[in-house]
Amino acid sequence: AQSVTQLDSQVPVFEEAPVELRCNYSSSVSVYLFWYVQYPNQGLQLLLKYLSGSTLVKGINGFEAEFNKSQTSFHLRKPSVHISDTAEYFCAVIGGSNYKLTFGKGTLLTVNP
Amino acid sequence: DAGITQSPRHKVTETGTPVTLRCHQTENHRYMYWYRQDPGHGLRLIHYSYGVKDTDKGEVSDGYSVSRSKTEDFLLTLESATSSQTSVYFCAISETGTSGLHFEQFFGPGTRLTVL
Repeated sequence: AQSVTQLDSQVPVFEEAPVELRCNYSSSVSVYLFWYVQYPNQGLQLLLKYLSGSTLVKGINGFEAEFNKSQTSFHLRKPSVHISDTAEYFCAVIGGSNYKLTFGKGTLLTVNP
Repeated sequence: DAGITQSPRHKVTETGTPVTLRCHQTENHRYMYWYRQDPGHGLRLIHYSYGVKDTDKGEVSDGYSVSRSKTEDFLLTLESATSSQTSVYFCAISETGTSGLHFEQFFGPGTRLTVL
């Protein structure tokens, strides 16, 4: 079985500040990791994914995440946020050959002027 | 954007009535999923399908049934709707890579269901 913990339910930041959204996972097998973003009243859009290879993954809109196997983490970062980054962010994991995604409970990022 | 549509987009119904939500894809992906999204719970898997007529339960399947008679359509039915089933419902699709492993899921726009 696999699980995902997003450590912060809400993260308020000011525009142009850096941000880190934290995600930890547990799984008994190798994993594939994802970050999705959900803008208000919309569906989920893939931000980035880690399947294999380089542990630093770059995604859309200037976001990046680093896979850390020893700490079982996949934190999302952006060096300078914009008002338009205000959204809910979900970390998700697939374990091994299991094709079912397990989601964290989400982190609401609010960017203030 | 992946070709996924959901209908209806909004629905209000009364307790005890049956409700069917439809997910339609134009990507010819083998795998389809139904999730519900509730505040504080993230997305939880209701049912999924790994091929035509092949379905299985997710973590919150009680009170729901599904059917998939053709690749492009996946139906979610609430047999007798209850207020606890008020939620936003998302459909998703995925496909295997060349290694047979699954990669990301693509999501539809969602259906907001209110059960009074």
